[in-house]
Amino acid sequence: SAVISQKPSRDICQRGTSLTIQCQVDSQVTMMFWYRQQPGQSLTLIATANQGSEATYESGFVIDKFPISRPNLTFSTLTVSNMSPEDSSIYLCSALLRTNYGYTFGSGTRLTVV
Amino acid sequence: EDKVVQSPLSLVVHEGDTVTLNCSYEVTNFRSLLWYKQEKKAPTFLFMLTSSGIEKKSGRLSSILDKKELSSILNITATQTGDSAIYLCAVEFLSSNTGKLIFGQGTTLQVKP
Repeated sequence: SAVISQKPSRDICQRGTSLTIQCQVDSQVTMMFWYRQQPGQSLTLIATANQGSEATYESGFVIDKFPISRPNLTFSTLTVSNMSPEDSSIYLCSALLRTNYGYTFGSGTRLTVV
Repeated sequence: EDKVVQSPLSLVVHEGDTVTLNCSYEVTNFRSLLWYKQEKKAPTFLFMLTSSGIEKKSGRLSSILDKKELSSILNITATQTGDSAIYLCAVEFLSSNTGKLIFGQGTTLQVKP
């Protein structure tokens, strides 16, 4: 079955630094999605990553804080910039790999900012 | 404003019990409703529902969508400790010709032996 690989699995970072999360899909997909799940909360969509164009950000999320790259149809990165403890969350990438089988999620990155 | 609401937010049952989880939504340009199980980090897909009144089943789990009532239920019969997880309801909607998901708060299910 189709797989989405995400790394790193977890990281502990100092405030003010940046972390880049990578997401690799084993098939070509048009759209990839990045979500944040804050502690005790549900998933919130950060942005939609389109190949060949700028990412589309949801309300409350900006490119300067969460720059996204989408160099080809199987790969995307999300950077969390100038981190603060409020950025401590699980970050998940997702894609629609097979029609009628829902959106598949990557394994997730648990980020702790100290 | 688009929203998805789940109830209850948490539930504690004993093995063998049957549970019903609820999801209601207010979304424009509805496409589908999805149920996921989240045990660690990555949500795993359970069901995708697009048509009203058609039950989907997978083992002890089943789900049905009511588009008139804008709601769905997820049933788990003969619960086991391995069913302990967060169950997420998400609604897929069309925005600028792109399908997107909006998630409910989740229901945390704990199954005691």
